[in-house]
Amino acid sequence: GQSLEQPSEVTAVEGAIVQINCTYQTSGFYGLSWYQQHDGGAPTFLSYNALDGLEETGRFSSFLSRSDSYGYLLLQELQMKDSASYFCAPHGGDSNYQLIWGAGTKLIIKP
Amino acid sequence: DAGVTQSPTHLIKTRGQQVTLRCSPKSGHDTVSWYQQALGQGPQFIFQYYEEEERQRGNFPDRFSGHQFPNYSSELNVNALLLGDSALYLCASSSLGTGHLNSPLHFGNGTRLTVT
Repeated sequence: GQSLEQPSEVTAVEGAIVQINCTYQTSGFYGLSWYQQHDGGAPTFLSYNALDGLEETGRFSSFLSRSDSYGYLLLQELQMKDSASYFCAPHGGDSNYQLIWGAGTKLIIKP
Repeated sequence: DAGVTQSPTHLIKTRGQQVTLRCSPKSGHDTVSWYQQALGQGPQFIFQYYEEEERQRGNFPDRFSGHQFPNYSSELNVNALLLGDSALYLCASSSLGTGHLNSPLHFGNGTRLTVT
């Protein structure tokens, strides 16, 4: 079967660092994507990990451990504009190109 | 370079009616996926079109159908609308034709459908 777990809500302070964890179970796993969605907006692509390790893109980093079926998104130097929902989306399932979506993590930034 | 465009942005329909939503993919993209997103939930995969064919489908009834045109644009049709079909419908394009399994999805701003 397929499953996906990430916290429903995380609260952090402006300027701090926050980590959003994701554990998944899926057949035919290819990689893990992260998307950001502001309220009322469209999801936007943040990062993709196909191999184990850390990928860094500016203030955002994403990590993958294939053996643990685990990944995380690390956001540094938090800004108020980072308040949004964050989705981890494993690539896999019944066919090659399917992404699996959960309910996401709502990140609340406090001043 | 235009991104993914969807029309209309908002739509109000009555239960039992039919609706057609439209999507133009990002320039250079050949694949279109449709998602339904209820308030406070993640996107739910409806189906994906590539080379004018439905290549995979999520757990949605046959009332949901689609089409992809030679210019890669796409339509989502929903028949016999139910109150539960009220949601944000997102279109996402990507470049699967390049063989890149990790081709990122580029989403449009969605169509907000309200069924009364």
